[in-house]
Amino acid sequence: AQSVSQHNHHVILSEAASLELGCNYSYGGTVNLFWYVQYPGQHLQLLLKYFSGDPLVKGIKGFEAEFIKSKFSFNLRKPSVQWSDTAEYFCAVNAGTGRRALTFGSGTRLQVQP
Amino acid sequence: DAGVIQSPRHEVTEMGQEVTLRCKPISGHDYLFWYRQTMMRGLELLIYFNNNVPIDDSGMPEDRFSAKMPNASFSTLKIQPSEPRDSAVYFCASSGGGPHEQFFGPGTRLTVL
Repeated sequence: AQSVSQHNHHVILSEAASLELGCNYSYGGTVNLFWYVQYPGQHLQLLLKYFSGDPLVKGIKGFEAEFIKSKFSFNLRKPSVQWSDTAEYFCAVNAGTGRRALTFGSGTRLQVQP
Repeated sequence: DAGVIQSPRHEVTEMGQEVTLRCKPISGHDYLFWYRQTMMRGLELLIYFNNNVPIDDSGMPEDRFSAKMPNASFSTLKIQPSEPRDSAVYFCASSGGGPHEQFFGPGTRLTVL
């Protein structure tokens, strides 16, 4: 079965600091990878996704992620965070075998201090 | 596009009562998912449908939970009887036949007293 690990449960940063959130998955085959963001009181929104091709993917709001197959990782990065990035971030994976359901990590709560 | 629509947005009920949550997927999407979010267990899949047919219901906690999709534009998740441990935010999501990206609704916050 697939599983997703997000090692940082709560991250506190000051504005303009750089961000990197870790995500590791366990599945040996082809995977599709996602990062979703959930702002306080809101629903999940897609930040970025990786299906194939260039392992460095760029998403909305200046976020990017790098797929490293050898490390089973898909870490999320942003060079300079803003107060408005305060939210919970979820990494998700589904196996590229046709199964459509997503397996989510436990989430990382990011708090950006002005 | 209105996005995925869920109703009600909030539901407070008493233990033992029947609860019905509703979802309207994005028009043209042929996959529909129900997820539950709790502090203890995070986001977990309950069930998903393809072309109105349940594909995987292995995440449905127990027989008290049931889900239906009578047509392409409507799905329900029913809990009967409800228990306090069912308190959670229930999300519905839909996906088109191409990319695997899922679009989430605003969720229903259920509180069972």
